[in-house]
Formats: sequence, structure tokens, C-alpha cells
Amino acid sequence: GEDVEQSLFLSVREGDSSVINCTYTDSSSTYLYWYKQEPGAGLQLLTYIFSNMDMKQDQRLTVLLNKKDKHLSLRIADTQTGDSAIYFCAEIPRDSGYALNFGKGTSLLVTP
Amino acid sequence: DVKVTQSSRYLVKRTGEKVFLECVQDMDHENMFWYRQDPGLGLRLIYFSYDVKMKEKGDIPEGYSVSREKKERFSLILESASTNQTSMYLCASTSQGVVADTQYFGPGTRLTVL
Repeated sequence: GEDVEQSLFLSVREGDSSVINCTYTDSSSTYLYWYKQEPGAGLQLLTYIFSNMDMKQDQRLTVLLNKKDKHLSLRIADTQTGDSAIYFCAEIPRDSGYALNFGKGTSLLVTP
Repeated sequence: DVKVTQSSRYLVKRTGEKVFLECVQDMDHENMFWYRQDPGLGLRLIYFSYDVKMKEKGDIPEGYSVSREKKERFSLILESASTNQTSMYLCASTSQGVVADTQYFGPGTRLTVL
């Protein structure tokens, strides 16, 4: 499929906010997702947003969706060292049969 | 809680061997998926299945086949393993009834082909 775009690396200091950006491909995707992968582990769903929403907040996480630009972002407030992981943006394009189309992942490094 | 299990966390095989990777889910999900994950390439879809005995090719099916004889089990088969199939393999499942079409992932199998 077409590429979901993400920057590959982000480094922040503990306590700062992290913002991970993503550009997806299919404007008809009903949901958009953020998955987290900690070292040596499988993927864990972090949060998702329904396509008719602009923003979703869940504790330290804020997801912003700009459908016009097909842009999705994940903001992590008060970033902790335990947030160090790879973050994947994903969509389910129409006609994909529920299969996710992932970005390449953003490696977030949180330094003390 | 949904549980997706994969038969091995680590596997080492030789070039030319036939390799079976097994995935089992316990939530009666209709849809199951196999992805491979490689550094710098993210996750790419190999095959998926939306029902028993049904299968659909994903983006990179070459060199792989799958089997879905029972609803809870989805197997990925490498008929003749090659070194370029060294990768992390992730299985996932979902159902139309699941909130937000969420996919649940297994822990992954890291396969090394020598």
C-alpha cells in the first residue's frame, strides 16, 4: 500500500512534552491509531481517534487529527523515561479488509 | 482480556528448511493477520484471513503461505526459508464487534535464518 509517513527519531528530556507527527494516506479511514512497542515486546494499542473527531485526550496523551491535511499527531505530556519506545501511526484503508497500514515508526528516546 | 499467543519467541532455522509459525487467539475473532517487522521498514502485511479456510494476500506474500483450518489458529509457513526472511513476525487478530476495529497483537517471533 501507500506509505504512512512518520519521522524516524525523536529525543526529549524527561518532563518535557513529546510530539510525534504522522501523515496518513486514506481520507476514508474510519479510525486512526497509535501503537506503542517497547523493546523486545509486541505492539500495544496506545490510543485511537474516530475520524469525525479533531482531538482526543486521554490522561497524558493528546491526539490531534487534521482530516483536510491527513495529519495525525500524538502529544505526550510530562514525558517519562518509561515512555521510551517506538510509536507507530496506523490506519485501516478502505478495502484493506481490516488490515492496518503502518508508518515506519518513531523511536522516542527520553533522557534524564 | 484478549490473548494472542505465538508458538515461539525466538527461532533459528537453516536456509531451505520448512518453517511453521503458529498463532492462536482466544476471543473468537474472525480476522487474523501476519505482519513482518524490519528496522526502517516498519510493519508490512504478509497475509490475512477473515474466516476459516479463507486467506488474502497482503503487501509482501512472496515466499510465504498460510493456513487457517480453525478459527482460533492462523499459521504462517515458509516453504523454503531464505536468509532474507530473517525478521520479527507479528500476528494480530480483530473482529467486527471489537471497539474501533482494534487489532490485538501477539508478542512476536524473532526468526533467524542461517
